[in-house]
Amino acid sequence: KQEVTQIPAALSVPEGENLVLNCSFTDSAIYNLQWFRQDPGKGLTSLLLIQSSQREQTSGRLNASLDKSSGRSTLYIAASQPGDSATYLCAVRLNAGGTSYGKLTFGQGTILTVHP
Amino acid sequence: ETGVTQTPRHLVMGMTNKKSLKCEQHLGHNAMYWYKQSAKKPLELMFVYSLEERVENNSVPSRFSPECPNSSHLFLHLHTLQPEDSALYLCASSQDYSRGEQFFGPGTRLTVL
Repeated sequence: KQEVTQIPAALSVPEGENLVLNCSFTDSAIYNLQWFRQDPGKGLTSLLLIQSSQREQTSGRLNASLDKSSGRSTLYIAASQPGDSATYLCAVRLNAGGTSYGKLTFGQGTILTVHP
Repeated sequence: ETGVTQTPRHLVMGMTNKKSLKCEQHLGHNAMYWYKQSAKKPLELMFVYSLEERVENNSVPSRFSPECPNSSHLFLHLHTLQPEDSALYLCASSQDYSRGEQFFGPGTRLTVL
């Protein structure tokens, strides 16, 4: 059974800092990995999707890396801003013989607070 | 705006009520999902529909009944719920069941009294 763990559970940083959020998964046979952002009481916003054949993806100040063999992904946020405050969720899709199960397995998230 | 809408955004119901949650996607996707998000627990997949056919049911109690009349609409019918069913219910869609990003709606905050 795939399990996804995110560390730390919560993080508070001053504005302008670069930071790293960690995600680990127990079954390395993944199809892809997705990072989401969730604002309080809201739905999820997809940030980055990394296919299993990729090592990283970048979007603006965000960079996500994937090391499938070690079961790890990191989300790097450069020059953090108060508007980045949210819960960040990591989710993986298992690989089933070249295709995937539709199911995403989620971590519990990292609550990020960026203070001015 | 993600292209996935959910109504109502908030719902309070008693244990004997019957209500329905609605999800609509405007993205032309073929797969739709229901997730449950409880406090202090990871998101849990409840149901998956692909081309209007249910392809996954993750041991969800029968008091939750999904319906997918077409590829753009997904419903979750609720009856005789328990207080522990109070949660944020999220709908998502993706181009195909087997791949592609999942796009989420804003969720329905459900409180069962």
